[in-house]
Amino acid sequence: QKEVEQDPGPLSVPEGAIVSLNCTYSNSAFQYFMWYRQYSRKGPELLMYTYSSGNKEDGRFTAQVDKSSKYISLFIRDSQPSDSATYLCAMSPRTNAGKSTFGDGTTLTVKP
Amino acid sequence: DAGVIQSPRHEVTEMGQEVTLRCKPISGHNSLFWYRQTMMRGLELLIYFNNNVPIDDSGMPEDRFSAKMPNASFSTLKIQPSEPRDSAVYFCASSFVRSNTGELFFGEGSRLTVL
Repeated sequence: QKEVEQDPGPLSVPEGAIVSLNCTYSNSAFQYFMWYRQYSRKGPELLMYTYSSGNKEDGRFTAQVDKSSKYISLFIRDSQPSDSATYLCAMSPRTNAGKSTFGDGTTLTVKP
Repeated sequence: DAGVIQSPRHEVTEMGQEVTLRCKPISGHNSLFWYRQTMMRGLELLIYFNNNVPIDDSGMPEDRFSAKMPNASFSTLKIQPSEPRDSAVYFCASSFVRSNTGELFFGEGSRLTVL
């Protein structure tokens, strides 16, 4: 079993929809939780970062971490065609913040 | 800043040939990571370096794979001999080890096809 499991998708939504992307994990040592966005034929770029549990909001994006359930989510409000990309969750332990374990990614398409 | 620079962007080779992928990390970053991405297995960490020293190479699939970081501004990933199952996108990423977030900065990847 993988340490990080991500809802596989693909996901297709109309413009303006609310999108929910989710990951579960098994390693209780994970303390840093990140979401990367990857456009086609590009490298991943950090979108959101959360340390430990809680919520974090940045514009249309909200990241949630529930450590008791080992579950993290990324919500996208008022989704736009430019949000079409693959979203990867990533996690790392406090003792080695740079060594991230990635989910397999969810490909999102937002249709105009 | 130019970001992480990888070369070549695309490589097509025949089985048995040696492949060398190159990476220039962001100046000032002291950690460097090599990842491999495939549809089947997602993004897998192969090896990472701190201050040019290999720290964890447990993700390197076989002895056919080797990585070096001779100085802070250059790293190579070599596959010898290459096999069709090595076909993937190979990403190099760098970070600053004292960063609070552990954010990784990825290059645009080297797409390898082994025929």
